[in-house]
Amino acid sequence: AQSVTQPDIHITVSEGASLELRCNYSYGATPYLFWYVQSPGQGLQLLLKYFSGDTLVQGIKGFEAEFKRSQSSFNLRKPSVHWSDAAEYFCAVGAGGGNKLTFGTGTQLKVEL
Amino acid sequence: DAMVIQNPRYQVTQFGKPVTLSCSQTLNHNVMYWYQQKSSQAPKLLFHYYDKDFNNEADTPDNFQSRRPNTSFCFLDIRSPGLGDAAMYLCATSRVRGTYEQYFGPGTRLTVT
Repeated sequence: AQSVTQPDIHITVSEGASLELRCNYSYGATPYLFWYVQSPGQGLQLLLKYFSGDTLVQGIKGFEAEFKRSQSSFNLRKPSVHWSDAAEYFCAVGAGGGNKLTFGTGTQLKVEL
Repeated sequence: DAMVIQNPRYQVTQFGKPVTLSCSQTLNHNVMYWYQQKSSQAPKLLFHYYDKDFNNEADTPDNFQSRRPNTSFCFLDIRSPGLGDAAMYLCATSRVRGTYEQYFGPGTRLTVT
């Protein structure tokens, strides 16, 4: 079965600074990879996804992520963080057929003004 | 805009009093999911429907039931809510089996008194 690890529970960055959120997965082949964002009291919003092809994927709100097969990673990046990016970020993996996603435990992002 | 709608957004129920949460979608997706999310945790899948085919997770308590009367609507019934069932309940949809990409509603925050 697949698994997802988000090593950082909390991250604090200054507004305007760059951001990288880490995600590592465990699966024998290339899974479907996703990043979701959740603002307080809200549902999850899909930021970006990777299925195949170009390993650098662009998403909404200026986010991008890079799939690295050799490191089993799918890290999320943003060159310049805005205060409105403060939220919880979940990495998720879909694999093995069926319909289910496996979520990481999430990274809480705090943005200092 | 096509979307996933959850009603109500906030629900307060008494210990042991049955409660029903509602989800509707205008995406015409085949798959609908119910997740439970407790504070600072990843969403936990309770069950999902692929069309009318119901798929229960092995660790979902019997206290939780679901109905999907048609493509657009799906209900979560909690027969006898306990204090431990207080959580955010998220509904999600995906188009077909194997695409994994899920679209989430805004959630219903359930409080049990």
